[in-house]
Amino acid sequence: AQSVTQLDSQVPVFEEAPVELRCNYSSSVSVYLFWYVQYPNQGLQLLLKYLSGSTLVKGINGFEAEFNKSQTSFHLRKPSVHISDTAEYFCAVTLINTDKLIFGTGTRLQVFP
Amino acid sequence: DSGVTQTPKHLITATGQRVTLRCSPRSGDLSVYWYQQSLDQGLQFLIQYYNGEERAKGNILERFSAQQFPDLHSELNLSSLELGDSALYFCASSASGGGGYEQYFGPGTRLTVT
Repeated sequence: AQSVTQLDSQVPVFEEAPVELRCNYSSSVSVYLFWYVQYPNQGLQLLLKYLSGSTLVKGINGFEAEFNKSQTSFHLRKPSVHISDTAEYFCAVTLINTDKLIFGTGTRLQVFP
Repeated sequence: DSGVTQTPKHLITATGQRVTLRCSPRSGDLSVYWYQQSLDQGLQFLIQYYNGEERAKGNILERFSAQQFPDLHSELNLSSLELGDSALYFCASSASGGGGYEQYFGPGTRLTVT
């Protein structure tokens, strides 16, 4: 079975500082990897995804993530955060032949002025 | 705006009752997914339909059922409701039923069971 672990439930950071949100996954077969963001009282929005190819993936709003197969990680990074990045971030995986998203427990990013 | 609509936005009902949540996918999307978000269980996949047929099933209780209609909208039926069913229910849609396609999420229906 597949599982996703988000190591930090909350990450406080000051505006314009860099941030990394950590995600590790467990799977005996190949998976696709995703990061979704959920702003307060809204649905989820895709930030980026890794299907194959270059392990460094760029997404929307200046976010990027790096797939590391040996460490089974897919950490999300942003070099300089804004107040508007305050939200809940979810890492997720699917098997390569299905669409069933398996989510981590989420990381709440709180950006302070 | 993702293009996925869900009704109603909020629903308050009593234990033992039955409710129906409705989802309209983005224009042209054939796949519809239902997810449940609760404080203790997190975000969980419930069920997927593709062009009217059930494609995948997750942790969906027997008291819950879903269907996708010929116009591709979907309904999630929850019956014999319990307090623990209180959650945010999301619908998502994607263009296809294969792997790797982006799922577009609706704003959710917040269900409160009292």
